[in-house]
Amino acid sequence: QSVLTQEASVSGTVGQKVTLSCSGDSNNIGSYSVGWYQQISHGVPKTVMFGNSLSSGIPDRFSGSESGTTAYLTISGLQPEDEAYYYCSTWDSTLSARLFGGGTKVTVL
Amino acid sequence: QLQLQESGPGLLKPSETLSLTCTVSGGSVTTDSFLWGWTRQPPGKGLEWIGDIFYSGTAYYNPSLKSRVTISVDTSKNQISLKLRSVTAADTAIYYCARAKRPWIDYWGQGTLVTVSS
Repeated sequence: QSVLTQEASVSGTVGQKVTLSCSGDSNNIGSYSVGWYQQISHGVPKTVMFGNSLSSGIPDRFSGSESGTTAYLTISGLQPEDEAYYYCSTWDSTLSARLFGGGTKVTVL
Repeated sequence: QLQLQESGPGLLKPSETLSLTCTVSGGSVTTDSFLWGWTRQPPGKGLEWIGDIFYSGTAYYNPSLKSRVTISVDTSKNQISLKLRSVTAADTAIYYCARAKRPWIDYWGQGTLVTVSS
């Protein structure tokens, strides 16, 4: 069971805005910013965002935010190529360990 | 452009030791502030962090794997290595090498599939 909690699945139509969440606690998301990773068809994970910064080559329809112990990844204007699993991750100061969420499957209807 | 390439045996028997190497090109493992580590993904499951290491040798491990794992750095070869002892079928996974600047991973290797089967 992951210490970071993500929705199992989120879906939307082309052009719709969808928001994924990642919930933790004061030892992880409350202390460190979150990275988001995209994995298409069980391929190699790709870094989408770190903190509020887009990784190189990632379109600006992706954005990140954090509030307290929850982080969010928003896709504004969902595209068919965005269909993938998205994982959140950050560091935990108590465990001295990197944590991953269980992943959210984004489906484009 | 930084590139990471994993290598090692793809098939192991239960109780053997998994040994993988990650060769880094386009950058140095001695670059300050970066962690080098391993993450794995069992078939059909999510990502599981194994551990990270600074080039100085300071290492951090997943508590659930700590008793079986060793990660090391070879600065002369610009490589990092993973050893996982006493493997079982549950260790069957794609193993990814990665670079991180805490708390994020910014570069991933292509991954290598390791199967544990008798």
